[in-house]
Amino acid sequence: AQSVTQLGSHVSVSEGALVLLRCNYSSSVPPYLFWYVQYPNQGLQLLLKYTSAATLVKGINGFEAEFKKSETSFHLTKPSAHMSDAAEYFCAVSDRGNTPLVFGKGTRLSVIA
Amino acid sequence: GAVVSQHPSWVICKSGTSVKIECRSLDFQATTMFWYRQFPKQSLMLMATSNEGSKATYEQGVEKDKFLINHASLTLSTLTVTSAHPEDSSFYICSASNSGQGPYEQYFGPGTRLTVT
Repeated sequence: AQSVTQLGSHVSVSEGALVLLRCNYSSSVPPYLFWYVQYPNQGLQLLLKYTSAATLVKGINGFEAEFKKSETSFHLTKPSAHMSDAAEYFCAVSDRGNTPLVFGKGTRLSVIA
Repeated sequence: GAVVSQHPSWVICKSGTSVKIECRSLDFQATTMFWYRQFPKQSLMLMATSNEGSKATYEQGVEKDKFLINHASLTLSTLTVTSAHPEDSSFYICSASNSGQGPYEQYFGPGTRLTVT
């Protein structure tokens, strides 16, 4: 069975500071990994995905994530936080079949001016 | 491309009535659609998986007679909340997948806010 653990339900950073949101996964097969962002009362928007190509994945809005098999991690980073980055972020994992995504509990990112 | 819509975006209904939520894939054929429920400040909880032309597969603890899911075509799935009660108030999100174009990815709708009074 697959699972995702997001460390920290709430992360607060200053505007312009590094953003680091942590995600560790458990999967019995090589996984697909995703990061989604959700703004209040909206659906999920895909930030980036790992599908076994390059281990460093670049996404939208300046975000990137690195797949580290040895650490079973897929942490999300952004060099410089912007106020508009304040949102809820979800890490998700799936196997390579047409099966549902398994989501982490989410991390709320606050950006302080 | 890969746009999924939901209708309505929000709905208020009285206790005991039924509500239908539509999920449409606008520019691709969705062989599989998923329905999630999200409580405030919580993650998404998978309710059911539906494949076009087949009965939906419900997750443990989800009442299939209460949450009726129909996936009649490759672009439309519906979730009907029957005899709604206040505890059914939640944010419902659908997603759609076209496994014919790998790698596998789900595309999410904008969600439907249901309030039962």
